[in-house]
Amino acid sequence: QKEVEQNSGPLSVPEGAIASLNCTYSDRGSQSFFWYRQYSGKSPELIMFIYSNGDKEDGRFTAQLNKASQYVSLLIRDSQPSDSATYLCAASGAGSYQLTFGKGTKLSVIP
Amino acid sequence: GAVVSQHPSWVICKSGTSVKIECRSLDFQATTMFWYRQFPKQSLMLMATSNEGSKATYEQGVEKDKFLINHASLTLSTLTVTSAHPEDSSFYICSARSFGGDRENYGYTFGSGTRLTVV
Repeated sequence: QKEVEQNSGPLSVPEGAIASLNCTYSDRGSQSFFWYRQYSGKSPELIMFIYSNGDKEDGRFTAQLNKASQYVSLLIRDSQPSDSATYLCAASGAGSYQLTFGKGTKLSVIP
Repeated sequence: GAVVSQHPSWVICKSGTSVKIECRSLDFQATTMFWYRQFPKQSLMLMATSNEGSKATYEQGVEKDKFLINHASLTLSTLTVTSAHPEDSSFYICSARSFGGDRENYGYTFGSGTRLTVV
């Protein structure tokens, strides 16, 4: 069974700090990995996706993928109170367009 | 970027009635659409995958006769909750994926969600 695991948190960081969110996945055949942000009562919005080993940067966000360790992370630099949300990690498998979601990590950025 | 429009955003219905939720891809063709359900403080649970012009594939434990999915065109998929009961109250979200589109912009775009309350 394909699983995506995340620490549920809450993760609290002070404003301006780096928030580090982690995710592991069980299916070695997973090919693409996504980070979504979900505010309470809203649908998820895509932050980044990554499918190659290494780092991918977009503004204040950096996604890191290590396929050997089956590990994905998201770093948020200069965290802002508006970054407070639940962050969902998702993986798509080989030959499948379905996404498997983790349960999400709740992030709180303290002003 | 890709936009998926979902309506209604919220609906209250009486137990035993049916509710239809629409999901439209506005600026791209969505060959595959996904329907999720999310209960409070839980993650998204995939209910079914629909491909344009064919029957939906339901996840284990999801009643296909209760949750009717129609994906009759490349831009529209509907989910009908039939004979709704209070336990069906949840946040329903659709997601669309385009075929052959720009992977950066069109992968897995979510609708805004529908909050269903059955009383």
